[in-house]
Amino acid sequence: NAGVTQTPKFRVLKTGQSMTLLCAQDMNHEYMYWYRQDPGMGLRLIHYSVGEGTTAKGEVPDGYNVSRLKKQNFLLGLESAAPSQTSVYFCASSPASVGTQYFGPGTRLLVL
Amino acid sequence: AQKVTQAQTEISVVEKEDVTLDCVYETRDTTYYLFWYKQPPSGELVFLIRRNSFDEQNEISGRYSWNFQKSTSSFNFTITASQVVDSAVYFCALSEVSGYSTLTFGKGTMLLVSP
Repeated sequence: NAGVTQTPKFRVLKTGQSMTLLCAQDMNHEYMYWYRQDPGMGLRLIHYSVGEGTTAKGEVPDGYNVSRLKKQNFLLGLESAAPSQTSVYFCASSPASVGTQYFGPGTRLLVL
Repeated sequence: AQKVTQAQTEISVVEKEDVTLDCVYETRDTTYYLFWYKQPPSGELVFLIRRNSFDEQNEISGRYSWNFQKSTSSFNFTITASQVVDSAVYFCALSEVSGYSTLTFGKGTMLLVSP
C-alpha cells in the first residue's frame, strides 16, 4: 500500500536551474497539497488542488508552479531555483474538503 | 485569518514522565477541525488525531490523550508514561471548513525523551 509517494527524495540544484517534484497518490483522493518545511517555521502551504485540472495558491506560492493533469499526480515546479527555496517539500492528499491529510515522505532540496 | 500557536519550542523529559504539549488556535469560523501530527527523526509526518469543533469530548488512545477546550481555544496533547520512541516533533494544525481544508500548522514542539 504505497499511499503518497514523492520523487525524488533528495536533490541538489544550482541557482537558476529548474526542476519538477512529483507527487503521486493511490488512494483516489480529490485534494492534494504541497507544503514546505523550514526550521522553526512549521509547514507552510505552497499550492493546492481540489480536483483534476484545478490548482490554487497557498500561503507561499511565489517562485513555484503546479499542475494536476491527472487525479493521482500533483507536480510542483521550480522554474529558476533560488537559495531561499532550500527546504524540505511535503506533498499531501485528502479524500474530502475536511478530510485528514496524509503526507508523503518528503523531498529534501538544496539550492546552491 | 487562522493561526496556531505552539508556545513550547522544545521539551525534555525523562522516560516514564507524563508530558503535555500545548496548542492554542485562532479562527473566526464556527466549524473547524483540529489535528495533531508526529514527525519522528526519520522525517515523515504521521497523523495522530482529527477532532471537529462540535466534539469537545476528550479522547484517549493508549498512552495518548487530547483535551479540547473551546472556551480557551486550546487542543492540548498529553503523553502518559513517555518512552524514548515518543521523541519527535509534534505539530498541531487547524483546518477551516470554508478553506478547502487547507491546514495551518503551528511551528511544532520538539519532544526529547531521555532514558
